[in-house]
This record gives sequence, structure tokens and C-alpha cells, in this order.
Amino acid sequence: EAQVTQNPRYLITVTGKKLTVTCSQNMNHEYMSWYRQDPGLGLRQIYYSMNVEVTDKGDVPEGYKVSRKEKRNFPLILESPSPNQTSLYFCASSLTALTGELFFGEGSRLTVL
Amino acid sequence: GENVEQHPSTLSVQEGDSAVIKCTYSDSASNYFPWYKQELGKRPQLIIDIRSNVGEKKDQRIAVTLNKTAKHFSLHITETQPEDSAVYFCAAPWEGYNNNDMRFGAGTRLTVKP
Repeated sequence: EAQVTQNPRYLITVTGKKLTVTCSQNMNHEYMSWYRQDPGLGLRQIYYSMNVEVTDKGDVPEGYKVSRKEKRNFPLILESPSPNQTSLYFCASSLTALTGELFFGEGSRLTVL
Repeated sequence: GENVEQHPSTLSVQEGDSAVIKCTYSDSASNYFPWYKQELGKRPQLIIDIRSNVGEKKDQRIAVTLNKTAKHFSLHITETQPEDSAVYFCAAPWEGYNNNDMRFGAGTRLTVKP
């Protein structure tokens, strides 16, 4: 089954404790992206990747890191989480960036205390 | 900056009425315009998209129209039903820092009252 898988789905952590949210897709998509969703603010892009070893900042990259060492995986790293990073995070992928359907993961709800 | 504007932010209609949501974009080179639906507690999913070589596309009760001259595209839902209640997002390409990329509108919360 074609899918985008995120883990963990739910996480409560404390300020400063490094964490990684994994994202994996099995559709051989070139493009992958991370979004955060906060009430009233829609989907804001954090980072995106056009292909392996190619990553770029989105609208709200501060406090986050990503890597794209393999085509299928695009982990989101919070080196030192802060309470303002409490949010719902979505990973998504598509065949290419501009011309195809985005497939979203189920979301990861992160709470930073 | 904001280059995909979506209106209205909330929309409430009576069951059976029509709903229209509009998005404007700024990148004149854009040629792909999708609409996503996000039901409560779920992930966004594509419901319809349009490419710049056509002006309208229909799929049962939903349609999307595109006006490239005015740089806007709209989602039309006819004969609305309670299950159409959701948040709808448009997206459009924009010229990112190093590469072209897609950006989402802020979303429209549609409520269909029975």
C-alpha cells in the first residue's frame, strides 16, 4: 500500500531534550516536505527536499533540522525543543514538487513542556 | 511572504446550498493548482486539481475554475452535505529560495448545517 509513515504519532517531551520525528514513503517520490499546523495558521512549511541530498528552508525553519540521505526517508530533528514548537506536524511527499498530488502522513502531535 | 491568499477563512452554509472558496496567487509561471480537504483529526487529502491548460474541471459535486489572467482559482461545491464540513486548503507554486515549491493558503473552515 502506498503511504507516508510518520513516527511517533504522539509525543510529550521537555524543553531541551533532542528529538527526531521520522518520515518514510514507499512511493519512490522525489519531493518530501514537513509542515506544522497550528490553530488559525494553516499549514506552514518547515523544510522541503527536492531529492536526495537537496534540502531547503520553508517559511518557519528556525529550531529545526532535516536530512535527506535516502530517497524514502526525511527525518525532522528538533535539537533543543522549546514550548513554541508544540504543534501538529505533517510530513508529505509527491512525485515532483510542482505538478503532482501531495500525500500526507497521519501527523505527529508534539507537546513540549 | 504571503503569496497564496485564500478567502473566506470561515464559511457556513445550509445543506443543499453551494459553497465557493477563492485563492489568489502571485507567481505568473504557476501551472498546477490543487485543493485539499482536511476533516477533523485527519490528514489533508487532495480532492481536485487543475492545470493551467484548462479553465475548469469538474468531479461530481466539486469543481475548480482557473482565471490565469486575474491569477485566481476557486473551489465550487454544489448541493453541499454535512460530510463536506472540513477545512479546505488551496496551494499554488511559488519561487522559493533556491527552487520552485508549493505554498498553501491559510485554509477555509466550511460548516454545512443540516
